Amino acid sequence: GAGVSQSPRYKVAKRGQDVALRCDPISGHVSLFWYQQALGQGPEFLTYFQNEAQLDKSGLPSDRFFAERPEGSVSTLKIQRTQQEDSAVYLCASSLWTRDRGRSATNEKLFFGSGTQLSVL
Amino acid sequence: SQQGEEDPQALSIQEGENATMNCSYKTSINNLQWYRQNSGRGLVHLILIRSNEREKHSGRLRVTLDTSKKSSSLLITASRAADTASYFCATDSDRGSTLGRLYFGRGTQLTVWP
Repeated sequence: GAGVSQSPRYKVAKRGQDVALRCDPISGHVSLFWYQQALGQGPEFLTYFQNEAQLDKSGLPSDRFFAERPEGSVSTLKIQRTQQEDSAVYLCASSLWTRDRGRSATNEKLFFGSGTQLSVL
Repeated sequence: SQQGEEDPQALSIQEGENATMNCSYKTSINNLQWYRQNSGRGLVHLILIRSNEREKHSGRLRVTLDTSKKSSSLLITASRAADTASYFCATDSDRGSTLGRLYFGRGTQLTVWP
């Protein structure tokens, strides 16, 4: 596709329910990022994949959050036993940048999807 | 936190006026980027400036970077109603353990009145 695609666009979950959010990055983009954006705030980093390898998951707020990218393309962010504080917009982004370029590497621009707005009641 | 902070939080101007937004950050960086977000949408990359650059232009956008003050500014000239959006600065990290992630500020909400 022409851009990063995320689904569903909106998700309403009852507290305690499990949810799965999907991200389809731009074809050929090696790097994939998940960010969480609370209302009125900037995006906060959750996790980063380079191909199928999850190289950084330090931003995941708890062990209820799990992300995968098994074939190095589509990624799924799963939240188990959702809580009200999980309500936010979840943004996926992809880029051509790779960490293998070393410490002098710079992060190229990110291409963001429109996000999934999660509301936990 | 390395999160950048934008100033002002909100800016309201008339069409044709210039809009200036500022960003401050805390630690050394490789580059700084500015993104725009329309309501209910994802972020769109506007411009990237590297740490060894002081100024960059792209169309009606002008970005400056002062690494000694750890600050950047985004100037939008001759603003249009369509420029109404939230603008975020984002910094990367030069630390190996966090290479790849961007740190975003809270954003400046720009409203341009026709």
